[in-house]
Amino acid sequence: DTGVSQNPRHKITKRGQNVTFRCDPISEHNRLYWYRQTLGQGPEFLTYFQNEAQLEKSRLLSDRFSAERPKGSFSTLEIQRTEQGDSAMYLCASSPTSGGASGANVLTFGAGSRLTVL
Amino acid sequence: AQRVTQPEKLLSVFKGAPVELKCNYSYSGSPELFWYVQYSRQRLQLLLRHISRESIKGFTADLNKGETSFHLKKPFAQEEDSAMYYCALKGRSNTGKLIFGQGTTLQVKP
Repeated sequence: DTGVSQNPRHKITKRGQNVTFRCDPISEHNRLYWYRQTLGQGPEFLTYFQNEAQLEKSRLLSDRFSAERPKGSFSTLEIQRTEQGDSAMYLCASSPTSGGASGANVLTFGAGSRLTVL
Repeated sequence: AQRVTQPEKLLSVFKGAPVELKCNYSYSGSPELFWYVQYSRQRLQLLLRHISRESIKGFTADLNKGETSFHLKKPFAQEEDSAMYYCALKGRSNTGKLIFGQGTTLQVKP
């Protein structure tokens, strides 16, 4: 297990197209998060999964955004009918549920998927 | 409201000089705070968390509840410390969700 893996690393699409990003978290981590980061800003929370259950969604997550984690392992983030304002880095992070040196509140991030909408 | 403020977008110092990256938070209750770092072309990674009370790469951060601050300090900056630094607050929910500040770029000049 080499950490949190995200694919694709870069995606260029035309406005109106749909895109999907995939995140493979650290295998023993139950918690999975999606964040969005735009230039000059810190990561902004989008949504959270505990195993397969999506337990929290930000108001930033419009109806065009949907995330799944069907078997409690990998997760996908789909953006439908992309807009230029969706251009950003989409970050995935995971964490264990509790305890340990890498505790429940320590997030391990992936390298991100950069989306450019033309 | 839960919020993290990093007032400086850029901090530029010379090698060997002391460094202080400022972080202020807004939170009622007992906060849990973190510093994350992103080196060039690398992913965001944890630098330190206040509950660990440890020093990582010479950096320390003390939680000051009176001033609602969690400033990151290092007595002697090194060129390899040049990176983007984010202060983060664990939100009130029990999800482990973090609220990040806007980040400060630290530039250590030779």
